[in-house]
Amino acid sequence: QQPVQSPQAVILREGEDAVINCSSSKALYSVHWYRQKHGEAPVFLMILLKGGEQKGHEKISASFNEKKQQSSLYLTASQLSYSGTYFCGTDSGGSNYKLTFGKGTLLTVNP
Amino acid sequence: NAGVTQTPKFRVLKTGQSMTLLCAQDMNHEYMYWYRQDPGMGLRLIHYSVGEGTTAKGEVPDGYNVSRLKKQNFLLGLESAAPSQTSVYFCASSTSPRANQPQHFGDGTRLSIL
Repeated sequence: QQPVQSPQAVILREGEDAVINCSSSKALYSVHWYRQKHGEAPVFLMILLKGGEQKGHEKISASFNEKKQQSSLYLTASQLSYSGTYFCGTDSGGSNYKLTFGKGTLLTVNP
Repeated sequence: NAGVTQTPKFRVLKTGQSMTLLCAQDMNHEYMYWYRQDPGMGLRLIHYSVGEGTTAKGEVPDGYNVSRLKKQNFLLGLESAAPSQTSVYFCASSTSPRANQPQHFGDGTRLSIL
């Protein structure tokens, strides 16, 4: 079952902040975040492991609440280059390593 | 440094025709995946492979077959194409399980079935 992402879409002005959430109905081993620009391949942002680890990548950071089976992606002081669709991919453990992706959140940053 | 290469990049088929999509990676990755991406649906896993000679079904395997005869290649076949298979297909690869490493994606194949 696909994880649920919210919001489905968000529009920002350059410099504003945004939060994208990812929620799963299954226990999670890890959460992956990717960004995809229109017509291009998804690009890896970061991986979060169970244990509530928070990671950062420039002005983009994320958290993972294992108990709530949720992850949040934080975009601070957004730049025009942050525009794109953000996907979370969840790994529920088990013997094989595969991700189940959410439907995505479309982020648009305007000047 | 090529990474993950998909061929072809674009293809138009008629209903009932067959074709094979090729994915090649030069990173010596064990795991390879085929996804389809439809508007508003995200990435959905079709089939995947945990190593040379192995394949497994993902979320939406019906109408597709795969083969992994060589570690670097993962082929996706459509035996009898249907309009519902019109989509953008992405291949990805990664290192061994639980290595906490990302999946690396190819540029995609845009397939239209008329």
